[in-house]
Formats: sequence, C-alpha cells, structure tokens
Amino acid sequence: AQKITQTQPGMFVQEKEAVTLDCTYDTSDPSYGLFWYKQPSSGEMIFLIYQGSYDQQNATEGRYSLNFQKARKSANLVISASQLGDSAMYFCAMREGRGGYNKLIFGAGTRLAVHP
Amino acid sequence: DTEVTQTPKHLVMGMTNKKSLKCEQHMGHRAMYWYKQKAKKPPELMFVYSYEKLSINESVPSRFSPECPNSSLLNLHLHALQPEDSALYLCASSPRMVSGIEDTQYFGPGTRLTVL
Repeated sequence: AQKITQTQPGMFVQEKEAVTLDCTYDTSDPSYGLFWYKQPSSGEMIFLIYQGSYDQQNATEGRYSLNFQKARKSANLVISASQLGDSAMYFCAMREGRGGYNKLIFGAGTRLAVHP
Repeated sequence: DTEVTQTPKHLVMGMTNKKSLKCEQHMGHRAMYWYKQKAKKPPELMFVYSYEKLSINESVPSRFSPECPNSSLLNLHLHALQPEDSALYLCASSPRMVSGIEDTQYFGPGTRLTVL
C-alpha cells in the first residue's frame, strides 16, 4: 500500500501567488516525521521543512509552511509569494518510528511550474 | 553549513569499465546514504552506513560496491554495469541513523551516470 501519496503530478502558479502541494500519508506508528524536499532540474534534493508527529504547531521556514492535519493524515506544503526559482519537483517523505533505521519513504512527487 | 559534495557530476562508462563515485561531508554526520533515482521517479535507497559500518543494503546487485573509508567520505564502486543502471546517484548524510525521527538527511547534487 502507498505510504505517501502526492496526487498532483503537476501544478502551476503565477509568480507572487501562494500554492499548496498536497501530501497524504499512511502509518499506524504514533511516532513519525514528515519532510519536504525540493529538487530543481540540476538534481540536488534540497531539504525544505520538517514536521514531527507530536509537534503541536505547524512547521514554518521562511516562505514555506506545512499544513499538518494529523486526523486526516495530511501534510500539505504551502509556498507563499512564489518565485520563478521555485519551479522544481517537490517530494514529500516520511520516516516512521523512533530508534529505527532512518529510512525515508518518498511520494511520487509534484512538479511545480511558476509562471511570470 | 549543510553541504554534501559529490564527484564527478557526470559519468559515462561502458559495461566493462570500473569507475567510482565519491561523496564527502564535513558536518560531523555519522550516517551516510546512497540513493538511485531514475527519471521522473523518487529516490530509492541503496545503502546506509552508520559509524563507517554498512548497516543497510537494500538488495542491491553486487556490481555496486559501497565503501566508507572514514566518517566524512563515502564511495560507490561500479563494475560491469548494465544500461538500465543509468540514473542519478545521490548521496546523503544525517547526524545519526538510529535516532529520533527529526534527523534530517541532507543530499548532495548527485552524479548523472550513463552506461553505454
């Protein structure tokens, strides 16, 4: 079964507008972490933001925020004030459990295109 | 500083060649990872080293041989590869492997490998 689902293969947004990239996850472990990575065409995976399952508040990092809805098992990435440089592939990933292997489970990704 | 470096950036090799990929980090991280990423797919974990010891081998064919000479350096030795092994090879590091869920993996820019 899919553990991480990103239902939007592609999205586009106008420059300076906000965009939400969807991510749902499936786990029975009460302890897990959720990560978002950005991958430009150059190939490097850039860490954006982290949300822990026990965190009470939504994570924010500059223009990135994570809309964490635990009951719905969703961890959507919100990018505010989009810039042309935000055009890239975005991956949602999950790590389950404490004390276990630091193995990330990735979603299929969403390709974001920012238009001027 | 969250820099992971990888060399070379691009590599073209024949099926009978032997080559090596190199990854380096100076963040004091004790876990290092090799991932393989095919076009338009998420990264797939290949190997994990923890404290310079191989901890995870995700059933990778023996034509891929990892090596961790010290805590900062990770190599991937390639021999008798197949054309289907052509992919982006990403290296990552994290502070620990068996750890809290908040441990973040930081990726290098990758090596684009083409096997002729």
